[in-house]
Amino acid sequence: SQQGEEDPQALSIQEGENATMNCSYKTSINNLQWYRQNSGRGLVHLILIRSNEREKHSGRLRVTLDTSKKSSSLLITASRAADTASYFCATGPNFGNEKLTFGTGTRLTIIP
Amino acid sequence: EPEVTQTPSHQVTQMGQEVILRCVPISNHLYFYWYRQILGQKVEFLVSFYNNEISEKSEIFDDQFSVERPDGSNFTLKIRSTKLEDSAMYFCASEWQPGQGLGKNGAEAFFGQGTRLTVV
Repeated sequence: SQQGEEDPQALSIQEGENATMNCSYKTSINNLQWYRQNSGRGLVHLILIRSNEREKHSGRLRVTLDTSKKSSSLLITASRAADTASYFCATGPNFGNEKLTFGTGTRLTIIP
Repeated sequence: EPEVTQTPSHQVTQMGQEVILRCVPISNHLYFYWYRQILGQKVEFLVSFYNNEISEKSEIFDDQFSVERPDGSNFTLKIRSTKLEDSAMYFCASEWQPGQGLGKNGAEAFFGQGTRLTVV
C-alpha cells in the first residue's frame, strides 16, 4: 500500500449518524493532517495531529493517531448534508522533508 | 480569516502553449508549495519554495516547470510548453513554518481553491 491510504474509499450514511474514516501510512511522520475537498473545489484544512498526540477534537471532528500501527481515524459526529465531500489524510514532513503526502481519499455522502 | 488565493480559477490552453498560474499566499507565511491533482487521482506534491529558492521538487517537476516569487507577495507556477497530461487542478499552499523532525511540530498547510488547467 502507498503512504496515506484511506478506507473506505466511499461511505454513505444517513444524516445524523457518525462517520468514521481511516488512514494508514508507511513511513515515520511528524504530523498527520486531514483535509476536506468538496467536489471540484479546493482543499480545506480540518485538523492537524502531531506524532506525540493520540487524540484531538475540533467541534464535531475527532481524530486519533496510533503511531505504533501507523494509522489515524477521523470521526465526524452528528453528520450533516454539508459534510458530503472527499476527505483526505496527509502525512506531514519529517526530518527535512517538507512535502505533504496525500492519501487516496474517502468519498463521504450524507443522505438527508 | 486569511486565505490563499489563486488565479485564474480555470484556464484552458492549447498544447504547447505557456501558462502561468498565480497564487497569493498568506502574508506572514514563509513556505510555499504547488501540488496538483489529476481528475480522480491523489493530490501530488510538485515543489516547495523557501527563501526565494526551491527546497524540494518531485519527479513531476521537470524542466518544463518553474516557480517564482517575483514581488514578495505573488507565487507563480509556469509551465513552458503544456502537454495534454498537464491537465489537472493545481493547488498552491503556504505555511508559516514547515514541519520537520528533531522536535519541531509542524504547522497547518493552507491551500488555495485551485486552478483547473485544461490543455486541449
